[in-house]
Amino acid sequence: DGGITQSPKYLFRKEGQNVTLSCEQNLNHDAMYWYRQDPGQGLRLIYYSQIVNDFQKGDIAEGYSVSREKKESFPLTVTSAQKNPTAFYLCASLEGAGANVLTFGAGSRLTVL
Amino acid sequence: AQSVSQHNHHVILSEAASLELGCNYSYGGTVNLFWYVQYPGQHLQLLLKYFSGDPLVKGIKGFEAEFIKSKFSFNLRKPSVQWSDTAEYFCAVYSGGGYNKLIFGAGTRLAVHP
Repeated sequence: DGGITQSPKYLFRKEGQNVTLSCEQNLNHDAMYWYRQDPGQGLRLIYYSQIVNDFQKGDIAEGYSVSREKKESFPLTVTSAQKNPTAFYLCASLEGAGANVLTFGAGSRLTVL
Repeated sequence: AQSVSQHNHHVILSEAASLELGCNYSYGGTVNLFWYVQYPGQHLQLLLKYFSGDPLVKGIKGFEAEFIKSKFSFNLRKPSVQWSDTAEYFCAVYSGGGYNKLIFGAGTRLAVHP
């Protein structure tokens, strides 16, 4: 089955630790996105990548970093600089020019203790 | 700045009740409009979309939405909800410039009681 796999599903970390969330897609999609979902705030864009080896900051990039070394992979690192990292993180992808519907992964819930 | 407003954060209904979830956006030009749904423990998935043409759009599971340009609205409706419709619903608006510009509403959490 084609889709987006996010791991881990649940993650607990202590304050001050960096955490990396995995996002892998086998859809051969060009563009990938990371969103943060908080209750009552909808989805906010953290980073996105439209092509391998290139990525751009979204609306709330501070305290996060990404890489896009392979087309199918777009990992997100939540650094210790992120002031409020506890959230639900969603990865999405888009096929390419002319495509218009995002495909989402199941999400990763990060809790910082 | 463009924005998307969903009128209700929480809605509680009994089975067979009718549903209407409001969505208003602030952009005055051409838009693509979406409703996404997130069932408990599942992926966020597309419910329906509007790009052009008939402003009444039908989606999966008996949902429909009506685009009213003059009101900047894209309300989601279902005549008779089921317990399985319990989920969180997100309205989203795209006005061009790359899908990094897709803006989501805050979401409406729907609980349907049997």
